[in-house]
Amino acid sequence: NAGVMQNPRHLVRRRGQEARLRCSPMKGHSHVYWYRQLPEEGLKFMVYLQKENIIDESGMPKERFSAEFPKEGPSILRIQQVVRGDSAAYFCASSPRKAGDINSPLHFGNGTRLTVT
Amino acid sequence: KQEVTQIPAALSVPEGENLVLNCSFTDSAIYNLQWFRQDPGKGLTSLLLIQSSQREQTSGRLNASLDKSSGRSTLYIAASQPGDSATYLCAVPSSNTGKLIFGQGTTLQVKP
Repeated sequence: NAGVMQNPRHLVRRRGQEARLRCSPMKGHSHVYWYRQLPEEGLKFMVYLQKENIIDESGMPKERFSAEFPKEGPSILRIQQVVRGDSAAYFCASSPRKAGDINSPLHFGNGTRLTVT
Repeated sequence: KQEVTQIPAALSVPEGENLVLNCSFTDSAIYNLQWFRQDPGKGLTSLLLIQSSQREQTSGRLNASLDKSSGRSTLYIAASQPGDSATYLCAVPSSNTGKLIFGQGTTLQVKP
């Protein structure tokens, strides 16, 4: 059973370009969470999705950021018109149930490291 | 608003020592608490998950305890090894959507 797969591992974009980050959850997991880790900072929640639905996007910046988790295919985190401050590691995690449920650990991918030049 | 704090921020010990990492949280109404390990440039590996009804959870040389009433958890590592060098993070779910609130982590270095 493959773990959470994220690609690309490293992504370099110039200011103003678009960044697309992909996440394939573990088999059987329908709950996906995206987190961002800025240099020298902790992990911050961005968005929680369950197949085709955005459940909680309270951590998403109001502009330029969007996320989706279609019925078929990976979850996508999209950043439009990237700026230098978007440079960070973006982690995806999946779970078979909502992560707050008892005995429902989150499984993380290795992340995508975005560098904006 | 849930806040998670970890102390110390960094720890350096000689190989073979037993050590304790601390995690505190402000809202005790949690369903579980999870400890993770993060190696440089890598993702997070789940180490232990303690359910709210449990007092402790063990896996190999790792033992995690949970005291909900005082808002504290500890991760005990026995007979530390250089391979244990990593950043250790604790996290609790916040709100009813299960998003995890992470501490800043404790960066551990075990010297051979």
